[in-house]
Amino acid sequence: ILNVEQSPQSLHVQEGDSTNFTCSFPSSNFYALHWYRWETAKSPEALFVMTLNGDEKKKGRISATLNTKEGYSYLYIKGSQPEDSATYLCARYNTDKLIFGTGTRLQVFP
Amino acid sequence: ETGVTQSPTHLIKTRGQQVTLRCSSQSGHNTVSWYQQALGQGPQFIFQYYREEENGRGNFPPRFSGLQFPNYSSELNVNALELDDSALYLCASSLGQGNMYTEAFFGQGTRLTVV
Repeated sequence: ILNVEQSPQSLHVQEGDSTNFTCSFPSSNFYALHWYRWETAKSPEALFVMTLNGDEKKKGRISATLNTKEGYSYLYIKGSQPEDSATYLCARYNTDKLIFGTGTRLQVFP
Repeated sequence: ETGVTQSPTHLIKTRGQQVTLRCSSQSGHNTVSWYQQALGQGPQFIFQYYREEENGRGNFPPRFSGLQFPNYSSELNVNALELDDSALYLCASSLGQGNMYTEAFFGQGTRLTVV
């Protein structure tokens, strides 16, 4: 069983703070790592698909890094805004499916 | 929103009954995957359909079955419902087999409650 773990489970920050969370996964037979953002009452939305060791991707104030050798990925949010409040899920691709972590729930207070 | 639609949005069923959940994939996508998200967990892979054939299955019993139609829409059927089947069921569509290099587009889910 491939376990994908995310930490912290939840996070409360003030508007303007920068924050980051971690996704850990088994490093053997790695193919790809996905990050999704899931706002309440909406559908999960893809942020990044990362495949190469050392990959860094950026979308606006959100960026992510990938270390496939040690089995982790970081997601960074610079200058958090209330609209960033959501659950952030990472998922490791395995054979024919995505294996998800339990997510990090971020709340940004004005 | 993603263009993936699921119906119904909410459903209450009695233990032992059968249920069918539906998913319309994003235009042009030929792969549909189904996930179950129980409370406090991440989405768990149920199975995937690619061009109307099952293309991978997670650790779910045979009473979970599916179908994909020529227009690539899909159904998830669950027989002999158990209380533990209460969960959010997510459908995700993508282009090509699997989601190795391409993102999955999710629907909003169907919330199933079994009483």
